[in-house]
Amino acid sequence: QVQLQESGPGLVKPSETLSLSCTVSGGSISTNYWSWIRQPPGKGLEWIGYIYYNWGTNYNPSLKSRVTISVDTSKNQLSLKLSSMTAADTAVYFCATQTYGANSYFDSWGRGTLVTVSS
Amino acid sequence: EIVLTQSPGTLSLSPGERATVSCRASQSVSSNYLAWYQQRPGQAPRLLIYGASSRAPGIPDNFSGSGSGTDFTLTIRRLEPEDFAVYYCQQYGSSPWTFGQGTKVEI
Repeated sequence: QVQLQESGPGLVKPSETLSLSCTVSGGSISTNYWSWIRQPPGKGLEWIGYIYYNWGTNYNPSLKSRVTISVDTSKNQLSLKLSSMTAADTAVYFCATQTYGANSYFDSWGRGTLVTVSS
Repeated sequence: EIVLTQSPGTLSLSPGERATVSCRASQSVSSNYLAWYQQRPGQAPRLLIYGASSRAPGIPDNFSGSGSGTDFTLTIRRLEPEDFAVYYCQQYGSSPWTFGQGTKVEI
């Protein structure tokens, strides 16, 4: 099973752009579908979007105008950029994979990284 | 988008008791592409059930899933101390993938 590890700044100022990375080990970033999911403190889960290296991306319409997901095959990393951050974007951000295609469940997750939006 | 509504919000039970969590979808879930996850405090969600009723590798048969269309159920036959956690349903049949709001199973 693949291992995923998120990294990035724990604190972001309002209106700035969040940049997170997810390093994949035990598997290739060039296969599978790779997603970002977030969870505000004490709340539920929200799917942000996914990327499939040879196909492209699919974003949640609620965030589509602010999200960019990409991969760096040389580093075997997935990245997330979320622009115009506000306090409502404060959350734990997880990366996860769908091994069996777009219409499949999230079978491996990173541990998550907390991002706080505050001046 | 498909809205998933879980009930109850909180389930207060004792070890050894049976837990039943319901997940209702606002429209039919394509091909019963419905998963259940367990989340313990400070941890990532862990896949329990996929395809509405198939157990993920390593998940004990104490956990079972059932249902189809718009109504799904997660059953924990006998609660162990480590089963007290939050449970989420998730549909992956229609984009955007969506999650239920969660059900907390507490002692």
